[in-house]
Amino acid sequence: GENVEQHPSTLSVQEGDSAVIKCTYSDSASNYFPWYKQELGKRPQLIIDIRSNVGEKKDQRIAVTLNKTAKHFSLHITETQPEDSAVYFCAAAISNFGNEKLTFGTGTRLTIIP
Amino acid sequence: DADVTQTPRNRITKTGKRIMLECSQTKGHDRMYWYRQDPGLGLRLIYYSFDVKDINKGEISDGYSVSRQAQAKFSLSLESAIPNQTALYFCATSEGNYGYTFGSGTRLTVV
Repeated sequence: GENVEQHPSTLSVQEGDSAVIKCTYSDSASNYFPWYKQELGKRPQLIIDIRSNVGEKKDQRIAVTLNKTAKHFSLHITETQPEDSAVYFCAAAISNFGNEKLTFGTGTRLTIIP
Repeated sequence: DADVTQTPRNRITKTGKRIMLECSQTKGHDRMYWYRQDPGLGLRLIYYSFDVKDINKGEISDGYSVSRQAQAKFSLSLESAIPNQTALYFCATSEGNYGYTFGSGTRLTVV
């Protein structure tokens, strides 16, 4: 089955700086890569996703890049703010007509230092 | 969001007891999932269902069973709870290409 590795497990950055979280996946058939944010005591929520037919996607301060050849994808957060502090999970799936089961990474705890 | 509801929110149970965690959704989604979250291990898939007549094991199904009573309801059972099943359990739904919607979670402690 699919295996997703995520690094680093913890990350602290100064407010206003950028944060990068990296994930690798094992199954070359995977074609859907979402990122979830989980604030303390809350449920995970989808913040951005990318499919294998594109290499990069942006949404305001958040961007995701995908390198299919190397089987890795990354989350980039620019101009970090205190509300970005949370645990972030990457995931991968083979999406077939919307039928997909996500395999998650182990999470990155991001702390923004004021 | 009240669209994916999990009950109970917290539960303490004794080793060997049978326990059921319930999930109901008002989103009209066909696909439902059960994950458990453990510190440092992320979210691991227990069972999933792509429609009412479809039930599939995930990567850690041993010791668990599920029931899809209707499109809107997907229950997870621990037949004989053990301490290493202490975890935060999430139900999730999905439809089309719009990602998962998670419930608020059930924190289960087995003593």
